[in-house]
Amino acid sequence: AQRVTQPEKLLSVFKGAPVELKCNYSYSGSPELFWYVQYSRQRLQLLLRHISRESIKGFTADLNKGETSFHLKKPFAQEEDSAMYYCALSGGGFNKFYFGSGTKLNVKP
Amino acid sequence: GAGVSQTPSNKVTEKGKYVELRCDPISGHTALYWYRQSLGQGPEFLIYFQGTGAADDSGLPNDRFFAVRPEGSVSTLKIQRTERGDSAVYLCAVGRNTGELFFGEGSRLTVL
Repeated sequence: AQRVTQPEKLLSVFKGAPVELKCNYSYSGSPELFWYVQYSRQRLQLLLRHISRESIKGFTADLNKGETSFHLKKPFAQEEDSAMYYCALSGGGFNKFYFGSGTKLNVKP
Repeated sequence: GAGVSQTPSNKVTEKGKYVELRCDPISGHTALYWYRQSLGQGPEFLIYFQGTGAADDSGLPNDRFFAVRPEGSVSTLKIQRTERGDSAVYLCAVGRNTGELFFGEGSRLTVL
């Protein structure tokens, strides 16, 4: 069955510290993986997708098919990174997306 | 750019009542999705439209839920005989062929 697991509900770090938000998935096929972010009082928006191999706002994520993981990383967290982060998966065709339950990142000053 | 407007932003209703939630994409996108987000959970897939037709409605929880998109733009999610367990934020999104979803701000439904 298709599933996205984000084991941490809350992650608190100090400003300038490295941060890693974990995401593991199960999917019978070749998935497309995404990270979405929701800042306070804003709508859910795309942060990055694995296929474009981009770095957005200093965040990167590497798809590890062997470990079925797509962890989100940033070497130096900023206070403005505080938000809810959701890992998401889709199959080819993008007819359906599966989301994890989210991790709240709190970056303390 | 893409934009999605959802109305109402908040809806409080009584158990057993009928509810309609509207999604109005600002620019033309053939792909439109409805998701439901309960407290403390991620968005849960309900239905996907490609144009006017429902290409995948496997996420609708039961036959009390129905969605339409008659002209391929505005979509309406309809819930009959609402139950307390239907309380959630209902999200609408449109999609690009890159896989990027553009979400609305959601309609918060509370069933008393």
